[in-house]
Amino acid sequence: AQSVTQPDIHITVSEGASLELRCNYSYGATPYLFWYVQSPGQGLQLLLKYFSGDTLVQGIKGFEAEFKRSQSSFNLRKPSVHWSDAAEYFCAVGALGANNLFFGTGTRLTVIP
Amino acid sequence: GAGVSQSPSNKVTEKGKDVELRCDPISGHTALYWYRQSLGQGLEFLIYFQGNSAPDKSGLPSDRFSAERTGGSVSTLTIQRTQQEDSAVYLCASSWERTGNEQYFGPGTRLTVT
Repeated sequence: AQSVTQPDIHITVSEGASLELRCNYSYGATPYLFWYVQSPGQGLQLLLKYFSGDTLVQGIKGFEAEFKRSQSSFNLRKPSVHWSDAAEYFCAVGALGANNLFFGTGTRLTVIP
Repeated sequence: GAGVSQSPSNKVTEKGKDVELRCDPISGHTALYWYRQSLGQGLEFLIYFQGNSAPDKSGLPSDRFSAERTGGSVSTLTIQRTQQEDSAVYLCASSWERTGNEQYFGPGTRLTVT
């Protein structure tokens, strides 16, 4: 069965510190992987996506993620967090020809000064 | 250009009433999706429309839920005889084609059933 696991419900980091949000997936087909960010009261905005090719993908706002097939992971990273990065982050998996994305339960990021 | 829009942004209704939620996708996007986001949960797929094909309704939680898409554009999600467990944020997304492409999300409709 398809599923996405985000093991960290809530993470707190200091501004300027590095960040890594974990995502593990289970999917029968070759996966397409996404990270979305949701600010309070807002819809979801795409940070980055992986379809194929280079396993390290760059996204907006200085985020990157690395696809590791052997670990079924797609962790999101940022070298230096800004206060404006505080939000909810969702990992999602889909595939070519699939009708929908499967989302994790999200990781809430708090940034402290 | 304009993004995905949804209305109303907030809806409070009494248990047992029917509600309609509206989604205007990005112009030209052929695929439209409805998701439900409950407190502390991820997004739950509800229904998918692609062009003139029959919709994928596999995610609808009960027969009280239905959706239509008129003219390949605007979509309406209808919940009949609302229950308290229907309280959630309902998100609409659209994309150029199928899931292989990026989905663009609207701001959602927060539904509260009292």
